[in-house]
Amino acid sequence: AQKITQTQPGMFVQEKEAVTLDCTYDTSDPSYGLFWYKQPSSGEMIFLIYQGSYDQQNATEGRYSLNFQKARKSANLVISASQLGDSAMYFCAMREGPLPNTGNQFYFGTGTSLTVIP
Amino acid sequence: DAGVIQSPRHEVTEMGQEVTLRCKPISGHNSLFWYRQTMMRGLELLIYFNNNVPIDDSGMPEDRFSAKMPNASFSTLKIQPSEPRDSAVYFCASSPSHILDTQYFGPGTRLTVL
Repeated sequence: AQKITQTQPGMFVQEKEAVTLDCTYDTSDPSYGLFWYKQPSSGEMIFLIYQGSYDQQNATEGRYSLNFQKARKSANLVISASQLGDSAMYFCAMREGPLPNTGNQFYFGTGTSLTVIP
Repeated sequence: DAGVIQSPRHEVTEMGQEVTLRCKPISGHNSLFWYRQTMMRGLELLIYFNNNVPIDDSGMPEDRFSAKMPNASFSTLKIQPSEPRDSAVYFCASSPSHILDTQYFGPGTRLTVL
């Protein structure tokens, strides 16, 4: 089974509107972390947001928020007020396992290509 | 502050040649990761180090790949001998050990093996 599933290969959103990028994950480990990265056409990977499995509140970073639904094992990224510069690939990822020195595993999804339309 | 530095940014080589990719993590970061990205397989973790010690190398594809971290400010990923299927973008990332999940990526090395 896939550890991280991103079912939307491509998404379009009108500038200034909000968009949700879907991500579901699969783990039986009680301790895990979920994060989102942005990869513009230039190729670099940019960290956006992180959610720990024990965090009670949804993570937010500026225009980015993570809709964490633990029972459903989903960690959707919400981008509010989309900007043209948000056009990029977005990757959902998971760190499985406890903290350092204990063989954590990291998994990335296949990505969602977001295009913001002026 | 300087980010993660990788060199070279582009490498073109012929099958059978040795390739060495280099990475300088962000100063003060204790964890370092090597990833490979291809269209077919997406982003794969190859190996990661914590305090210069390899913690998990289960992602290293085969014995042709090796990685070292001789000190806290330098790591190498070596492929010997290289094959065309090794063509990919190789990313290095580093993370402060107390915030393991916040990984900062380098610009990547685009490797083409002819």
